Amino acid sequence: ETGVTQSPTHLIKTRGQQVTLRCSSQSGHNTVSWYQQALGQGPQFIFQYYREEENGRGNFPPRFSGLQFPNYSSELNVNALELDDSALYLCASSSGGSGNFGEQYFGPGTRLTVT
Amino acid sequence: ILNVEQSPQSLHVQEGDSTNFTCSFPSSNFYALHWYRWETAKSPEALFVMTLNGDEKKKGRISATLNTKEGYSYLYIKGSQPEDSATYLCAPTNAGGTSYGKLTFGQGTILTVHP
Repeated sequence: ETGVTQSPTHLIKTRGQQVTLRCSSQSGHNTVSWYQQALGQGPQFIFQYYREEENGRGNFPPRFSGLQFPNYSSELNVNALELDDSALYLCASSSGGSGNFGEQYFGPGTRLTVT
Repeated sequence: ILNVEQSPQSLHVQEGDSTNFTCSFPSSNFYALHWYRWETAKSPEALFVMTLNGDEKKKGRISATLNTKEGYSYLYIKGSQPEDSATYLCAPTNAGGTSYGKLTFGQGTILTVHP
């Protein structure tokens, strides 16, 4: 077990709605990264937060946004949900913005279904 | 955006067989290569972090090699067991700039070991 937790485990939303996913990082880690894993693909990088600031973003539209809190937990918010947003959302924590050559510790994911 | 390819996409082997898979990535600006094992309904688990050309790492029956000049890594499993069944993901990370410490995953190799 990595010590990274995510909530909720599963979520069903309707197209056009908004969703918030949560992640608690491993103790001692100050960096959280979010990934989207669609069926048949590897995880795709959404963005990373380091000490409460966004520290890099992948190829995702602005309706994907995030926050990191002083305790280094993080939220991923998705507005105006689309059917293609249905995926497993993973968060991963690490230390120092890169720590051990970028090694990251993953949570179990949140399965989002958009209908 | 890094172009990461893993092959084969899926593999079925018998218990006791040895197997290997490939991860190909751009060799320019290389920083590190990560291998993860992802069992169904669990979090991706870090196997190896590899940084040096010619690096070899071993963990029990699993080993990996790295060639940064030509941009590939091999993962080997000796004497496969049913508990090795999982998706194996590789993720290179580049040095410098906003991509520093960000993982770009391949689509994974799904290994099924039949008893």
